[in-house]
Amino acid sequence: SAVISQKPSRDICQRGTSLTIQCQVDSQVTMMFWYRQQPGQSLTLIATANQGSEATYESGFVIDKFPISRPNLTFSTLTVSNMSPEDSSIYLCSATGVRSYNEQFFGPGTRLTVL
Amino acid sequence: SQQGEEDPQALSIQEGENATMNCSYKTSINNLQWYRQNSGRGLVHLILIRSNEREKHSGRLRVTLDTSKKSSSLLITASRAADTASYFCATDVKTSYDKVIFGPGTSLSVIP
Repeated sequence: SAVISQKPSRDICQRGTSLTIQCQVDSQVTMMFWYRQQPGQSLTLIATANQGSEATYESGFVIDKFPISRPNLTFSTLTVSNMSPEDSSIYLCSATGVRSYNEQFFGPGTRLTVL
Repeated sequence: SQQGEEDPQALSIQEGENATMNCSYKTSINNLQWYRQNSGRGLVHLILIRSNEREKHSGRLRVTLDTSKKSSSLLITASRAADTASYFCATDVKTSYDKVIFGPGTSLSVIP
């Protein structure tokens, strides 16, 4: 399986600030995604990170709040903008198209706490 | 948005017993995947079953898929305390682009 790394692994941020999370895959992938997992909940898809074009956002998520970049096939960033305590969650990056058809692998997640 | 439902939401069994978790979904899928997540840890990919497959095995895991009922089950045989975790099914939804949607998960506790 591919190795997906995320930075930072955790952060504590102040209300109103922004945090950019980086996701790096150790091989070229076709699709990259960003998920949010609120405490005690399942994963909710935020958006699909498209290489070279604007991300595709799911209902309830907008680009102004969660800008995403994917400059190449192995790297993506998610920014959580103008944070509030409700944004406290684990944010996970995932990727597909890695050797095995459509298996989706996940990074370790970034645990964000907003004060 | 979540398109799957899992039951039970929580399951507690004795070590050595079998654990069965069920997942139902609403729309046509390309495949279905099961994941495990230990408390506070990342997701571990367990198994992928394609829409044209009915059953798949991996070690102590057995997954079935019934596309006519839009449901899947995960069976863990001879459970161990280390199997204590949350288990999620995730469906690869057929849209203009592939995206994977997670169910709410089943919390499994295996008592030594």
